[in-house]
Amino acid sequence: DSGVTQTPKHLITATGQRVTLRCSPRSGDLSVYWYQQSLDQGLQFLIQYYNGEERAKGNILERFSAQQFPDLHSELNLSSLELGDSALYFCASSSGPNSYEQYFGPGTRLTVT
Amino acid sequence: AQSVTQPDIHITVSEGASLELRCNYSYGATPYLFWYVQSPGQGLQLLLKYFSGDTLVQGIKGFEAEFKRSQSSFNLRKPSVHWSDAAEYFCAVVGTGGGNKLTFGTGTQLKVEL
Repeated sequence: DSGVTQTPKHLITATGQRVTLRCSPRSGDLSVYWYQQSLDQGLQFLIQYYNGEERAKGNILERFSAQQFPDLHSELNLSSLELGDSALYFCASSSGPNSYEQYFGPGTRLTVT
Repeated sequence: AQSVTQPDIHITVSEGASLELRCNYSYGATPYLFWYVQSPGQGLQLLLKYFSGDTLVQGIKGFEAEFKRSQSSFNLRKPSVHWSDAAEYFCAVVGTGGGNKLTFGTGTQLKVEL
């Protein structure tokens, strides 16, 4: 158990809908990262937050957005969902802005039908 | 831009045999390298990391990896594989461009024959 929690574990929704994935980092960690794992793209970095501020952005679609709240939990919002958004979404956390060890949560499996 | 190559998509070994999983990276500066393991239905667990210093690093579960700058490699090894090691293994490097995002290889699926 990494100490990173993600909810829900599974999510099934229809095209065009909007969903929110939630992540709580390890106790004391200030950085949160979101990754997407799909069969065709592999593991891709989406976005990083540090202490509430966006720090780095990867290949995140405009339909996706994220935020980190004062209690350090983070949410990833996915809207206008398409079939291709079906994937495993991981959250990871690390202690500081330049801390390189990332600890991953169990993931949320999103299925878009 | 940085990249990671894991040339072997699938590897099958017998229980008790030794294991080596290959990883090659492309990165301009001294890389920060990682190996993660993903068991079915699970998240990624950090096995070991290399930042600097001794090029042979020890990790959890009896794994080790050797950093070879001349070959741009960071291969994962285990002297004797257990059936519970069957999983997917990912090599990763910390990328450039701000923040410390991980760039992952495509993974190697390990099957262990009893």
